[in-house]
Amino acid sequence: AQSVTQLDSQVPVFEEAPVELRCNYSSSVSVYLFWYVQYPNQGLQLLLKYLSGSTLVKGINGFEAEFNKSQTSFHLRKPSVHISDTAEYFCAVSGSTSGTYKYIFGTGTRLKVLA
Amino acid sequence: DADVTQTPRNRITKTGKRIMLECSQTKGHDRMYWYRQDPGLGLRLIYYSFDVKDINKGEISDGYSVSRQAQAKFSLSLESAIPNQTALYFCATSDQGARGYTFGSGTRLTVV
Repeated sequence: AQSVTQLDSQVPVFEEAPVELRCNYSSSVSVYLFWYVQYPNQGLQLLLKYLSGSTLVKGINGFEAEFNKSQTSFHLRKPSVHISDTAEYFCAVSGSTSGTYKYIFGTGTRLKVLA
Repeated sequence: DADVTQTPRNRITKTGKRIMLECSQTKGHDRMYWYRQDPGLGLRLIYYSFDVKDINKGEISDGYSVSRQAQAKFSLSLESAIPNQTALYFCATSDQGARGYTFGSGTRLTVV
């Protein structure tokens, strides 16, 4: 079975400061990893994904994430945040079981960027 | 037009009423999903469909039913709505690989 843990439910950070949103997963099969962003009153948008290859993945809006297999983590980072990054961020894992891919989402981390 | 369209965007209904939430997509994806979002609980899978003839229960299917009318349409029904079904509902689509979901904008449902 797969699971995803987002350790922080809320993260406040000042504008132009760096931020890291943590995500840990567990899975008995090879996984694909995703970060989604949800702005207020909107659906979820794909921010970035790890399927294979380089463990450092770059996404939209200056975000990046690093896949660490030994630590089963996929933390999201941004070196300098903007007010507009205020949103909820969801980590998700997908793994193949019998050829089907099912996605499991974390409970979300609410990023609040302060002026 | 959006790739994944959900209707209605907002709905208030009374306990015991039947309600249908609709989802249509222009992505050409075979796979469609219904999720429910509650504060602090993230997204939980209600039902999913890998093609028109394939319907599967997710982790919280009790009290819900679905219909896959065509490749592009997947509707969610609450046969007899109850207040704890008040939530934000999302439809999503994906292709057969693992490249990620495309989400609709959501339906905010309130059961009073």
